[in-house]
Amino acid sequence: KQEVTQIPAALSVPEGENLVLNCSFTDSAIYNLQWFRQDPGKGLTSLLLIQSSQREQTSGRLNASLDKSSGRSTLYIAASQPGDSATYLCAVIHRGAGGTSYGKLTFGQGTILTVHP
Amino acid sequence: DVKVTQSSRYLVKRTGEKVFLECVQDMDHENMFWYRQDPGLGLRLIYFSYDVKMKEKGDIPEGYSVSREKKERFSLILESASTNQTSMYLCASSPPGLLQETQYFGPGTRLLVL
Repeated sequence: KQEVTQIPAALSVPEGENLVLNCSFTDSAIYNLQWFRQDPGKGLTSLLLIQSSQREQTSGRLNASLDKSSGRSTLYIAASQPGDSATYLCAVIHRGAGGTSYGKLTFGQGTILTVHP
Repeated sequence: DVKVTQSSRYLVKRTGEKVFLECVQDMDHENMFWYRQDPGLGLRLIYFSYDVKMKEKGDIPEGYSVSREKKERFSLILESASTNQTSMYLCASSPPGLLQETQYFGPGTRLLVL
């Protein structure tokens, strides 16, 4: 059974710092890996999606990398801002029996990020 | 702009009541999902549907059922609510062709069962 782990569980940094969030998964047979952001009491917003054949994706100050063979992904946030404070979730779509998965996501438990001014 | 809406943001019910949580998407997506989110346990998949009237159990289906009579609407049903079903419930949708597309999430329904 696929398991996704995120480290650290919580992170507090001063504004302007660059930071890295980590995600690991146990089964490398994945279709893609996604990073989401969740603000308190809200739904999830997709940040980046990396296909299994890709190594990284970038969007603005965010860069996500994927090393499928080692079962790891990192989310790099450059020049952090207080508005980046949120919970960041990593999730994978893994290949099911017969290659089907219907897009089911397995989530990590998230990293709670606080960026203080 | 893509949109997934959930019928209630907050809901308070009593033990034993039948509870309906509604989710509607306007993106003509085939796949729809129901998750619950609990502190320390993360998001867990309850049920999903890949087409009208089609449904599959997720990781924690016990105590829940679902209904998908129309493509845009996916309902989660708690047949007899219990206190351990107090949670945040999130609905999501995605098109087929999973290689390219992410899931789009609704704002969530926070359910309290007394």
